[in-house]
Amino acid sequence: GAVVSQHPSRVICKSGTSVKIECRSLDFQATTMFWYRQFPKQSLMLMATSNEGSKATYEQGVEKDKFLINHASLTLSTLTVTSAHPEDSSFYICRVQGLADLNTEAFFGQGTRLTVV
Amino acid sequence: GEDVEQSLFLSVREGDSSVINCTYTDSSSTYLYWYKQEPGAGLQLLTYIFSNMDMKQDQRLTVLLNKKDKHLSLRIADTQTGDSAIYFCAESTKNFGNEKLTFGTGTRLTIIP
Repeated sequence: GAVVSQHPSRVICKSGTSVKIECRSLDFQATTMFWYRQFPKQSLMLMATSNEGSKATYEQGVEKDKFLINHASLTLSTLTVTSAHPEDSSFYICRVQGLADLNTEAFFGQGTRLTVV
Repeated sequence: GEDVEQSLFLSVREGDSSVINCTYTDSSSTYLYWYKQEPGAGLQLLTYIFSNMDMKQDQRLTVLLNKKDKHLSLRIADTQTGDSAIYFCAESTKNFGNEKLTFGTGTRLTIIP
């Protein structure tokens, strides 16, 4: 099956700095990637959907200038949290979807625990 | 709109069966999923059911779907300590060719020795 690699798994950064999270699809072409965030003891909330080569579509309430998404290739999408604040501390998870109708599979990365101090 | 709800907590004795329930609101859902999340980890797909099915069994896991009531359940037989985790149900809808997943709040399953 598909393997999704998300990096880093944990990151601690200072307020005001930027952090980049990578999501790689290792063995199939991911035409669409989804980014979720999960606050402690809460469910996953979709932040944005990105299709390869086009601008990401952000969910309501998600600041596109703060959470920059780049999906430059069929195997890599990045989420950059710019000017991070403590309230951005969360668990971020990517999900990939390929060209085929993979309704029975929804591949997730391992997640990135971001802590902003 | 989409709304998926679950009970937040469930405690079960080791060896008993666990039943985790989920309700959803979007009748156009195509697939319904169950995911397992262990502490600090991503999501692991456990099983799924197509919306025109009412039951699916996979080893210790049994999924029941009542489409009329929009109710989904996951039964784990012979619950083990390794089953301790948070379980999320998710409904899938198509949105301009993309499969959109809406997750429930998650149920934390605790195993009592």
